Amino acid sequence: DAGVTQSPTHLIKTRGQQVTLRCSPKSGHDTVSWYQQALGQGPQFIFQYYEEEERQRGNFPDRFSGHQFPNYSSELNVNALLLGDSALYLCASSLALRGGVTEAFFGQGTRLTVV
Amino acid sequence: AQTVTQSQPEMSVQEAETVTLSCTYDTSESNYYLFWYKQPPSRQMILVIRQEAYKQQNATENRFSVNFQKAAKSFSLKISDSQLGDTAMYFCAFMKIQGAQKLVFGQGTRLTINP
Repeated sequence: DAGVTQSPTHLIKTRGQQVTLRCSPKSGHDTVSWYQQALGQGPQFIFQYYEEEERQRGNFPDRFSGHQFPNYSSELNVNALLLGDSALYLCASSLALRGGVTEAFFGQGTRLTVV
Repeated sequence: AQTVTQSQPEMSVQEAETVTLSCTYDTSESNYYLFWYKQPPSRQMILVIRQEAYKQQNATENRFSVNFQKAAKSFSLKISDSQLGDTAMYFCAFMKIQGAQKLVFGQGTRLTINP
């Protein structure tokens, strides 16, 4: 079992550009969540995808968008990059259960640097 | 909205000692989960231990145990017989049971185990 895989591991972009980050969930998981972790801070929830739809969204601007594919993999897109978007972006996958939660497994993240 | 507070930015102990990391949270929910995650320099978030709020018994996982005080909204992590491999950032996190499985993280505690 490969666990949660994210690509790329590192990325450098220029202000104003657009970026796409990718995540493949752990085998058997159907839910993908994205988090932004600024240096020295705890992760902040961006949004969650389930059944190819955005299920919940955190306090992030519309420049942050996502997508989930039929194979449960997911993409995070950020438009019009700002210096403040520099962070570690974490993907977590889990299995949706009625009335319960399953352990969220995290990938190793994508380190995005905006210059 | 839920908030999680970790009041100890850094801690340092000698190998084999016992250390306790503090966490408090605020919520109006009656049923929820609490977690401790470890993030080593490899960046991947690893689940250390979880506690269901409806369970009065404190969770334990080998050398890791928690002290869950629901009325005080306190959730501390005790690491016994600490090892060099325990050196990492530790994050306390909250999750509602109903709705999206969104984790709310604290700011983290950097734990260093010295030889």
